[in-house]
Amino acid sequence: DARVTQTPRHKVTEMGQEVTMRCQPILGHNTVFWYRQTMMQGLELLAYFRNRAPLDDSGMPKDRFSAEMPDATLATLKIQPSEPRDSAVYFCASGLVQRISSYNSPLHFGNGTRLTVT
Amino acid sequence: LAKTTQPISMDSYEGQEVNITCSHNNIATNDYITWYQQFPSQGPRFIIQGYKTKVTNEVASLFIPADRKSSTLSLPRVSLSDTAVYYCLVGDAGNNRKLIWGLGTSLAVNP
Repeated sequence: DARVTQTPRHKVTEMGQEVTMRCQPILGHNTVFWYRQTMMQGLELLAYFRNRAPLDDSGMPKDRFSAEMPDATLATLKIQPSEPRDSAVYFCASGLVQRISSYNSPLHFGNGTRLTVT
Repeated sequence: LAKTTQPISMDSYEGQEVNITCSHNNIATNDYITWYQQFPSQGPRFIIQGYKTKVTNEVASLFIPADRKSSTLSLPRVSLSDTAVYYCLVGDAGNNRKLIWGLGTSLAVNP
């Protein structure tokens, strides 16, 4: 059963440090999403890639966050410098969008990176 | 953008049928209704999707009335392992980036 893989599962860091989260989407999927989940806000979309091109990063604080897909098997989310308010669980999800689609392709999520910034 | 409303929490007992209703008054013609399940320390997992009437799979059933302004996820004979948060989302085909995730319904199944 194909899965989205995220590393690390947990990360504790001090304010001001750089944090890099990695995601391996499911092979063959052409869309990748980064979400942030907190108790208060729920799931928030940070970035969206289609065929490795960033199409939407409007949900991401541009001054400190960056998302990239250096190749089809790797997506990264970086925070520099990190702040305590960035503490959350970060999820990566992938999906397959077809040019002519008769249904809404479901998203496949990884198990997230729990980030704690002290 | 279509927004959904669902109960914050629900309680049930093992063996019972659980129905979670979701309201989506401004659903668009091209929108599908999708439900996800999330366990603690895991990412959401797709359960079921539908456009109209009734859809059934090995996990759940989804009932959608003719006006499509609401939908009901039905979980038959729940067990303790069905304790999770359930999300209802609406969105058009191929446009998952427009999905709005609310806080979901936290279902607690008791022994």
